Amino acid sequence: GQQLNQSPQSMFIQEGEDVSMNCTSSSIFNTWLWYKQDPGEGPVLLIALYKAGELTSNGRLTAQFGITRKDSFLNISASIPSDVGIYFCAGQRGYAGNNRKLIWGLGTSLAVNP
Amino acid sequence: DAGITQSPRHKVTETGTPVTLRCHQTENHRYMYWYRQDPGHGLRLIHYSYGVKDTDKGEVSDGYSVSRSKTEDFLLTLESATSSQTSVYFCAISDSYGYTFGSGTRLTVV
Repeated sequence: GQQLNQSPQSMFIQEGEDVSMNCTSSSIFNTWLWYKQDPGEGPVLLIALYKAGELTSNGRLTAQFGITRKDSFLNISASIPSDVGIYFCAGQRGYAGNNRKLIWGLGTSLAVNP
Repeated sequence: DAGITQSPRHKVTETGTPVTLRCHQTENHRYMYWYRQDPGHGLRLIHYSYGVKDTDKGEVSDGYSVSRSKTEDFLLTLESATSSQTSVYFCAISDSYGYTFGSGTRLTVV
């Protein structure tokens, strides 16, 4: 099945550093979503983006919906130990039927050294 | 909170036995999904439902069946479990903001 190209695959950073990850696709999406997964839990929605060019923040997290509708990035500023986890991007083509299904990246595993 | 409960949380079963996993939601969402998650493969869609008795296959549906006789319950059945079905299974609902996931079922087939 189709997957998004998510990079980097993993990151190991020092506490306080900024983090950037991105997702690209060969096709366009109407919605981009960013999720975080902690060990032993399901993914939790961090940020949802609905419009090309949109820039949205959630605390120290900022995400953008690319102007071409084929990419998105997530930035985390001033990382802290609880940012550790796997971050997933997902794209959605529409809101009805088959188009409501999400296309997923393979995740970025983030480790933070205190 | 979308009120999604998966049961059981953990299960060990023998090869060749049927297994049913349950997803229960409390908020009347129409769309529900079953995923499996394996290292290196991310989240892969097994089956999904867009209403009572309306289900469709995802990308890895072989060996799995689903049923949705009530809005609140979406059941995933492994007809004859194999070791390749050892995985973590997640149920999700789709609402206005995106998907909300359950806490997962860790299934081990021995």
